[in-house]
Amino acid sequence: DAKTTQPTSMDCAEGRAANLPCNHSTISGNEYVYWYRQIHSQGPQYIIHGLKNNETNEMASLIITEDRKSSTLILPHATLRDTAVYYCIVGRGATNKLIFGTGTLLAVQP
Amino acid sequence: SQTIHQWPATLVQPVGSPLSLECTVEGTSNPNLYWYRQAAGRGLQLLFYSVGIGQISSEVPQNLSASRPQDRQFILSSKKLLLSDSGFYLCAWSRDRGTDTQYFGPGTRLTVL
Repeated sequence: DAKTTQPTSMDCAEGRAANLPCNHSTISGNEYVYWYRQIHSQGPQYIIHGLKNNETNEMASLIITEDRKSSTLILPHATLRDTAVYYCIVGRGATNKLIFGTGTLLAVQP
Repeated sequence: SQTIHQWPATLVQPVGSPLSLECTVEGTSNPNLYWYRQAAGRGLQLLFYSVGIGQISSEVPQNLSASRPQDRQFILSSKKLLLSDSGFYLCAWSRDRGTDTQYFGPGTRLTVL
């Protein structure tokens, strides 16, 4: 079973910031939070991951709460091409197995 | 840079026929390799993973099998396909370190009729 809870869907206006929440209240101390996205009929694309500190890369920012029980993925200026299913995943096994839930369908509106 | 290939891109097979899907990775050595399946409108389900040649771990019981004959080659097979085997099959790789991310291939869409 997935260890995360995400809203089923969200809308965002083009050019605005998209904030995607994720709850992971049972995360353990050595588990990372990963975010992937999947555009229709393509393989998932890695976005970002973090352990405790906030992270930023060219695609997005990841904000993790101090207690690590939730996080938010921020796309600073959403475009139509950001429409996708966004998966929040926690895990760190010996083989780094990731358990995907059903994710959040982000629809960016013109 | 590393790239991952899957073929075929799409496949339509009759029930009871055999299956062989291939995945290869370029630009890295000794990767961890993974097979996932995604049913229509569902999340990804991990089927198999491999940490080395000939080393396969199965996550769910099913009529599928996996093999890793070479370091960067991962094969998904079935002797007799079922209707329920239809789906989007994804191969992924990660570096041989526990916290590294997985990188996915383009996928194979399998329809069993």
